[in-house]
Amino acid sequence: GEDVEQSLFLSVREGDSSVINCTYTDSSSTYLYWYKQEPGAGLQLLTYIFSNMDMKQDQRLTVLLNKKDKHLSLRIADTQTGDSAIYFCADSPGSARQLTFGSGTQLTVLP
Amino acid sequence: EAGVVQSPRYKIIEKKQPVAFWCNPISGHNTLYWYRQNLGQGPELLIRYENEEAVDDSQLPKDRFSAERLKGVDSTLKIQPAELGDSAVYLCASSKGQPGQETQYFGPGTRLLVL
Repeated sequence: GEDVEQSLFLSVREGDSSVINCTYTDSSSTYLYWYKQEPGAGLQLLTYIFSNMDMKQDQRLTVLLNKKDKHLSLRIADTQTGDSAIYFCADSPGSARQLTFGSGTQLTVLP
Repeated sequence: EAGVVQSPRYKIIEKKQPVAFWCNPISGHNTLYWYRQNLGQGPELLIRYENEEAVDDSQLPKDRFSAERLKGVDSTLKIQPAELGDSAVYLCASSKGQPGQETQYFGPGTRLLVL
């Protein structure tokens, strides 16, 4: 079946860049998403990329997609303490079907 | 624009008791999803509605779980009877469900603890 993998933990210093990586197996993935979840909260959509793109930039966020290797990354520039959260990668075959999520990466930003 | 609304936010029950969760999607969103998120994991789909029709319920444990979306707007997810392993966060999401407008927006979730 479909699988989405992420590393579990990442720690960075405030002001540094963070890079969160994700791999997926479904070659029919049409959209790939990054969601942020803070403690006790639901999932907040950060950004998404369509499968025919290889890069998308949105303010401090840069998404890179390597479709050949089925690898997705999220780079957060100038990481702040407010960025500390769990980040989920998810893929979808489109047609409003289900999202398949990774287990999440806990980002800790150290002062 | 109001986001996805869920209630209650927290629920503690004893095993074998029934429990129900309610979701109001974003106005104009035809597609509604219920996900379950176990501790330390990503959400997993339980059921997807397009308007009032359940189009994907393959991962819904039908012996104890039921859901409905009368009139194609609000939805209710029920568990009867609840088991210890049902402790999780139940997330509702909605999307416009149209090509190019498929992004799913999530509610805050209902945290269920079964004792």
